[in-house]
Amino acid sequence: DAKTTQPNSMESNEEEPVHLPCNHSTISGTDYIHWYRQLPSQGPEYVIHGLTSNVNNRMASLAIAEDRKSSTLILHRATLRDAAVYYCILRDTINDYKLSFGAGTTVTVRA
Amino acid sequence: GAVVSQHPSWVICKSGTSVKIECRSLDFQATTMFWYRQFPKQSLMLMATSNEGSKATYEQGVEKDKFLINHASLTLSTLTVTSAHPEDSSFYICSASKDRDSPLHFGNGTRLTVT
Repeated sequence: DAKTTQPNSMESNEEEPVHLPCNHSTISGTDYIHWYRQLPSQGPEYVIHGLTSNVNNRMASLAIAEDRKSSTLILHRATLRDAAVYYCILRDTINDYKLSFGAGTTVTVRA
Repeated sequence: GAVVSQHPSWVICKSGTSVKIECRSLDFQATTMFWYRQFPKQSLMLMATSNEGSKATYEQGVEKDKFLINHASLTLSTLTVTSAHPEDSSFYICSASKDRDSPLHFGNGTRLTVT
């Protein structure tokens, strides 16, 4: 499995942007970059995913480096409801398309 | 709304009994579903891949005779924890996606407590 590396934790103030980095230096050409988040006692929630180009949706933006060895999840204006564990995961859509979770980044939002 | 439904959301059982957890995809057919387990303050650990119409694929270290998986239809996978023991107490989560290029959708999890 291609692995990802994320900071253990990150703090942000409400209404400010949050940039969550993820390193994936061993990414292969068929790996999609997925982001999920998990609130306590709930199943993970899909946030965004991409292959090569930057992606935007109503929840967040995903910026992917040109060499694809890193990416950044951007929450444009953090709210208290965005406090969660954020997981950056690579999904190989050809050979083995299961998702394996790392430790993730715990995001704390200060009011 | 939820596209993957998991039931029950919590269950308490006595040691030695078996517990069945259901996972349904509501909006799409899923030939493959995934089962995870999560202990407190830890990340999700993939247990097995459930394949419709064939045997499940288990991750290393997961006992296939203890965690029975059945994927009898394109919208339903079940996980049965057999002869449960207190160390099986955990948060069990299933997931599914429409196809390989689509994101995974997760159920809300089942909190299993074995007394």
